[in-house]
Amino acid sequence: KAGVTQTPRYLIKTRGQQVTLSCSPISGHRSVSWYQQTPGQGLQFLFEYFSETQRNKGNFPGRFSGRQFSNSRSEMNVSTLELGDSALYLCASSLATDNEQFFGPGTRLTVL
Amino acid sequence: QQPVQSPQAVILREGEDAVINCSSSKALYSVHWYRQKHGEAPVFLMILLKGGEQKGHEKISASFNEKKQQSSLYLTASQLSYSGTYFCGTAVLGGKSTFGDGTTLTVKP
Repeated sequence: KAGVTQTPRYLIKTRGQQVTLSCSPISGHRSVSWYQQTPGQGLQFLFEYFSETQRNKGNFPGRFSGRQFSNSRSEMNVSTLELGDSALYLCASSLATDNEQFFGPGTRLTVL
Repeated sequence: QQPVQSPQAVILREGEDAVINCSSSKALYSVHWYRQKHGEAPVFLMILLKGGEQKGHEKISASFNEKKQQSSLYLTASQLSYSGTYFCGTAVLGGKSTFGDGTTLTVKP
């Protein structure tokens, strides 16, 4: 069974631009969560989608948004990028909200 | 509010044991443990649900004390491959996992 895939793996943007990251969950998994990981902040929860509905949301500004499609694939969008948005963005899929999560390799975003 | 992990870092020799603790101020429904090696994504180790059940995975096991809202991860007879950062994720019923800051484990020959 294929694992969680994320594209692109690396991205370099400049301040003010916007970016879209993609995540394809494990087949059959309907829950997709997004996390931001930085050296000083650990794993910070962004949001979770289940069956195309946002179930939970972390404490991030409105510049961070996401959506989930009917095939469970998910996208995350960050608008008006700031230097502090540079981080590894991880996507994780699970069968349901309370199940173990399987992480993708992440997208490393660098904002210059 | 995120759980608190302790210690922040630990250095071991091969064959030694270690305990990593995870505490929360909330009434927890589940605790998840993950290990992340440098440059890689976190990998799921085990999940403990409300009920105080202890689980094991080879020489790695964990317990969940729901009265104290604490979980502990036990690594026995550590191997070099155990090195990495261990995260606990805690969740209330219907909520989403919140992760601790991680515990960095280094196993030396």
